[in-house]
Parts: sequence; C-alpha cells; structure tokens
Amino acid sequence: GAVVSQHPSRVICKSGTSVKIECRSLDFQATTMFWYRQFPKQSLMLMATSNEGSKATYEQGVEKDKFLINHASLTLSTLTVTSAHPEDSSFYICSAPLSPAGTYEQYFGPGTRLTVT
Amino acid sequence: AQSVTQLGSHVSVSEGALVLLRCNYSSSVPPYLFWYVQYPNQGLQLLLKYTTGATLVKGINGFEAEFKKSETSFHLTKPSAHMSDAAEYFCAVGDDKIIFGKGTRLHILP
Repeated sequence: GAVVSQHPSRVICKSGTSVKIECRSLDFQATTMFWYRQFPKQSLMLMATSNEGSKATYEQGVEKDKFLINHASLTLSTLTVTSAHPEDSSFYICSAPLSPAGTYEQYFGPGTRLTVT
Repeated sequence: AQSVTQLGSHVSVSEGALVLLRCNYSSSVPPYLFWYVQYPNQGLQLLLKYTTGATLVKGINGFEAEFKKSETSFHLTKPSAHMSDAAEYFCAVGDDKIIFGKGTRLHILP
C-alpha cells in the first residue's frame, strides 16, 4: 500500500545549526505534502503546505525563514530547520494525500524527532 | 474555519469494557472526518474516516464511529477494549488540510 517515509527518524543537533528532514512518498506521487509538529503529549499542529513547483504555504505564526520547505519533486519534500534552538525540539510529521488536491485519503510519515541541545 | 474538540484528554476503561471517545466538530461545509491512532514515538495510523454516505463508519481493530450532523459529533466506539488499544487517539476534520483535535489518551485497566 501507499507509504510515506521520513528521514532521519531521530536527529540531535547543536543550537545554531540547521537540520534537514526529508519526506518521501513511496509508490505514489504527491504534488502536495503537509508538515506538522507535535510537542510532547500534545496534538499535531499544521505548519505548512508544501507544493511541488511553487512556494510553500505557511500557517499563521510559523516563521517561513526559519522553517524552509522545498518540494523538490513529486515524491520528495524537505523541511529545513535553520539556526535551530532548543525550543525547536519537537516531533515533526509529514503527510501526503494519495490523490491530487481535494481528496481525503492522507498518509502520514512515521515522524522525525528533533532534539536541539 | 474548521475545528475539532475532543472531550477528555484522558479516558480509562477496563479491559473488555466499552470504549467511547468523544469528538465534536465545527465546519462550514460538509465535513470529512477522521480518527487516527498514535502509539508512543510513532506516526499516525488511520482508524476510520467519514466522507459521504453511510453515517456509521467501521474501521480497523474493531473501532467504529457515527457521524451525527444534528449533534456535530463523530464519537469513536469499540464494544470491548483490549490492552493493545492503549494509545493516543486524534479526531480530525478536513480534506487537504487536516485539523486535529488535542487528542485523548486511552488507558486500559486490567
């Protein structure tokens, strides 16, 4: 079945450095992908919509210069956390709809746990 | 704007007892509704979804949910809880962009 993968699953970085997280759709193309972050014991908060071939759409309150999103191909979106700080430590999850925009079948990646020291 | 409210951040039930997790939604358009389960340190797994048609939706692991438009509710139920059901459950609304509720942690008592 359709699967979304994320890499890495865990990453530890030092404050001030940048970290890139990859989200890949396997066996299907995704013109749109979504990035969420989840703080411990909290819900998923939508950060941005990643659009292949165009700029990402960020939710209110999300710094686009800090969380850089690049939808490089129909199967790959990347989230780069720039100049990471401890408060950026979180669980980052991506998702992709199985069909083009307007569908309701989404698949979620297994998540990436980022720890900034 | 769409939103979801889950009543009860923690629910405890005895093994074998009925599971009921409550979810109310707000949507200006006919909603697509979902229940997801998340096990510790893992991603989300879709339990079931409502889009159109039959209002009683059956999902995996014996769960089901009923869409009640008049009550703007989409409560999740399972007749008999199993220890393996212990997890975090999220109700969600949306189509392209999915908006999640705050989640309910289900505890199963032996």
